[in-house]
Amino acid sequence: NAGVMQNPRHLVRRRGQEARLRCSPMKGHSHVYWYRQLPEEGLKFMVYLQKENIIDESGMPKERFSAEFPKEGPSILRIQQVVRGDSAAYFCASSPPIRTAHEQYFGPGTRLTVT
Amino acid sequence: AQSVTQLGSHVSVSEGALVLLRCNYSSSVPPYLFWYVQYPNQGLQLLLKYTTGATLVKGINGFEAEFKKSETSFHLTKPSAHMSDAAEYFCAVSESEGGRRALTFGSGTRLQVQP
Repeated sequence: NAGVMQNPRHLVRRRGQEARLRCSPMKGHSHVYWYRQLPEEGLKFMVYLQKENIIDESGMPKERFSAEFPKEGPSILRIQQVVRGDSAAYFCASSPPIRTAHEQYFGPGTRLTVT
Repeated sequence: AQSVTQLGSHVSVSEGALVLLRCNYSSSVPPYLFWYVQYPNQGLQLLLKYTTGATLVKGINGFEAEFKKSETSFHLTKPSAHMSDAAEYFCAVSESEGGRRALTFGSGTRLQVQP
């Protein structure tokens, strides 16, 4: 049973370019979460999605960032017009649809470097 | 609103010594509590969780944690440290009520194990 998959593992973008980060949840999981980890800091929640729905985006920056989890395919975190401050590790997590299952299983992360 | 405080950003112990990593939380509703471990350049792995029931929780790799409501604490312990325990450890909290599933993380404690 494969775990949470993220790609790419490393991504380099120049300032002003777009970054697309992909996340495939564990089999049978329909809840996806995105977190950002800045150097030497803990993880900060960005957005929580279920299939075709954004449930909680309270941690998402208001501009340039968007997320989706389509009916088919992986969840995508999209950062437009990247700036140096976007350099971080972005982690995706998933959890099963059971209402009482609150543990989240994390992927290996995508490390974004903006030059 | 929730928050997590991890006392001590760096902890160093000798191999075979007791490991104690401190975590205090703040939550307006009964919390669900988690400890995760992160090895360099990897994602987070769930060590253990507290949801309801027994307040002493056992996890993987010989770790355990005790939920103390009166002290709002969830400290992580291991009786005897092993070199392979060297990693970063994160305490996290989520809400048991209200449906908000986002995890709020502490800033992490880096554990060093000396031979």
